[in-house]
Amino acid sequence: GAVVSQHPSWVICKSGTSVKIECRSLDFQATTMFWYRQFPKQSLMLMATSNEGSKATYEQGVEKDKFLINHASLTLSTLTVTSAHPEDSSFYICSARPRGRRGGNQPQHFGDGTRLSIL
Amino acid sequence: QQQVKQSPQSLIVQKGGISIINCAYENTAFDYFPWYQQFPGKGPALLIAIRPDVSEKKEGRFTISFNKSAKQFSLHIMDSQPGDSATYFCAASWDSGYSTLTFGKGTMLLVSP
Repeated sequence: GAVVSQHPSWVICKSGTSVKIECRSLDFQATTMFWYRQFPKQSLMLMATSNEGSKATYEQGVEKDKFLINHASLTLSTLTVTSAHPEDSSFYICSARPRGRRGGNQPQHFGDGTRLSIL
Repeated sequence: QQQVKQSPQSLIVQKGGISIINCAYENTAFDYFPWYQQFPGKGPALLIAIRPDVSEKKEGRFTISFNKSAKQFSLHIMDSQPGDSATYFCAASWDSGYSTLTFGKGTMLLVSP
């Protein structure tokens, strides 16, 4: 089955540093990847949609200069949290949509998330 | 404005019982309705999904019931097991699932032994 790998799974860093999270589709090509944020006991909140080779589309209220997204290839998207602060601590989850699978049985495959803790 | 309303927020069911989680949507353009299961510290995993051309879909112990006129759909877990204890999210999207997913707020299910 389609697998999406996220790395790292857990990161702890000091306030003010930048953190990069990788999202890879391991056995399929993904023209579109999605980045979500999830607070404890809450639902997934879409942050941005990234298409390979173009700029990401950010949801309202999400700072694009704070959360930099790069979708450089059909199998890799990265989310960089710049100058992270404690309020950025959260669970970040990516998903990937297989290329050419319009109307498929599983439009999005999710990664296992990255737990980000800013001290 | 929440487009997909999910209830209950939490649910406790005895082993062997039936777990029922309900969702209601507002956007009539939605045409793809998946349910996701999420364990702590993991990403959501697709459990089962339905499209509006059918009223029910069953996969093993999991069944989705869909009521297009009422704009409601529900997940039934038959013979619930402790291993089913997780958070369940309903979601909806349009364009045959090609558009972004709109998630419900989630239901924490606990199946007691």
